[in-house]
Amino acid sequence: QKEVEQDPGPLSVPEGAIVSLNCTYSNSAFQYFMWYRQYSRKGPELLMYTYSSGNKEDGRFTAQVDKSSKYISLFIRDSQPSDSATYLCAMSEGGGSEKLVFGKGMKLTVNP
Amino acid sequence: GAVVSQHPSWVICKSGTSVKIECRSLDFQATTMFWYRQFPKQSLMLMATSNEGSKATYEQGVEKDKFLINHASLTLSTLTVTSAHPEDSSFYICSVQGFGYTFGSGTRLTVV
Repeated sequence: QKEVEQDPGPLSVPEGAIVSLNCTYSNSAFQYFMWYRQYSRKGPELLMYTYSSGNKEDGRFTAQVDKSSKYISLFIRDSQPSDSATYLCAMSEGGGSEKLVFGKGMKLTVNP
Repeated sequence: GAVVSQHPSWVICKSGTSVKIECRSLDFQATTMFWYRQFPKQSLMLMATSNEGSKATYEQGVEKDKFLINHASLTLSTLTVTSAHPEDSSFYICSVQGFGYTFGSGTRLTVV
């Protein structure tokens, strides 16, 4: 079993839809959880950064972490064509120099 | 987060030659930087952790003599791919840890 599992999709939705992206993990020591957006041929861009369980909202994006289920989610409301990208979840045990472990990434297309 | 500059954004080289990739932290003194490799439609795989003033820490399976990392200052880490071969063709990305992990824009290496 991989440390981080993420359905690679692809996922195609109409503009305005609510998008739900998920990752599961096996390492109970993970405490820091991140979502990145990556456009083609570009480096990943940090979208959300959360510590431990709970919800975090930033504009149209909401990140949820359920440590008891080892499950994290990213919700995108009112999705836009500009949201079309690959979304990667990532997590680490510590917030210092601990390495990140990434999911495979989900390719999302929002159709106008 | 930190502002990270990575150069070059793309490079083509002949098989057997060496290529140097630079990663600069523009507004953050980074004692630790990370180097990742990403193959098409794959996730990011950590290659090594670059530590300022000391030797890099390589992940299992990564040849340290082939992928030379130098982190001589708090703002610059370099990755040199020595004696490059076509199988080294990939997307190489650096990151800096500070208020989350910020990534460079990546370097697409093609070895012909």
